[in-house]
Amino acid sequence: KAGVTQTPRYLIKTRGQQVTLSCSPISGHRSVSWYQQTPGQGLQFLFEYFSETQRNKGNFPGRFSGRQFSNSRSEMNVSTLELGDSALYLCASKKGADHYSGNTIYFGEGSWLTVV
Amino acid sequence: TQLLEQSPQFLSIQEGENLTVYCNSSSVFSSLQWYRQEPGEGPVLLVTVVTGGEVKKLKRLTFQFGDARKDSSLHITAAQPGDTGLYLCAGYSGAGSYQLTFGKGTKLSVIP
Repeated sequence: KAGVTQTPRYLIKTRGQQVTLSCSPISGHRSVSWYQQTPGQGLQFLFEYFSETQRNKGNFPGRFSGRQFSNSRSEMNVSTLELGDSALYLCASKKGADHYSGNTIYFGEGSWLTVV
Repeated sequence: TQLLEQSPQFLSIQEGENLTVYCNSSSVFSSLQWYRQEPGEGPVLLVTVVTGGEVKKLKRLTFQFGDARKDSSLHITAAQPGDTGLYLCAGYSGAGSYQLTFGKGTKLSVIP
């Protein structure tokens, strides 16, 4: 089956611009979560959606936002980009609502964002 | 904020050696997961441990969850070059938590 698909894979933006990243989860998966990965901070949780509802949000400024559509596809948006937003943005999906054994999380390959 | 501390941060060993990676926290986790991430790819789940004291084996990899569910370890026997990658531990802090907290990872290099 197709895995988690993230687009675009690579992008370069200028400070002050905004960016939208897209994630298509595995078919049948209703939970989508987003993470930011940097060499210094590692993987940090951004937010998680289930059936179009944001259930949890990480400790990021309001410039970071997201949404989930009725077909479970998700987008995240970063406005007023800063140099420190340069990172690998990872999307992950899982089938059910909870995190118990058997509800495996699958990650996409990520979107590499460089802010110049 | 729940924190997971991983050690060592970097590890370079010869093929055939054994190694152990540690994941520690001052907080209790309802479950802990181990992932491996290769360059240019997303993390891939290796195992989930949920019961204090639990030990799981995956071929040459042995995972252990501490009795108090605050720490975990990953032991690799007879490491091979294909084991090279970034090993990450991650955990959910409670039954109602939807936020997966990650350690910063251990970068393992296995030299042929």
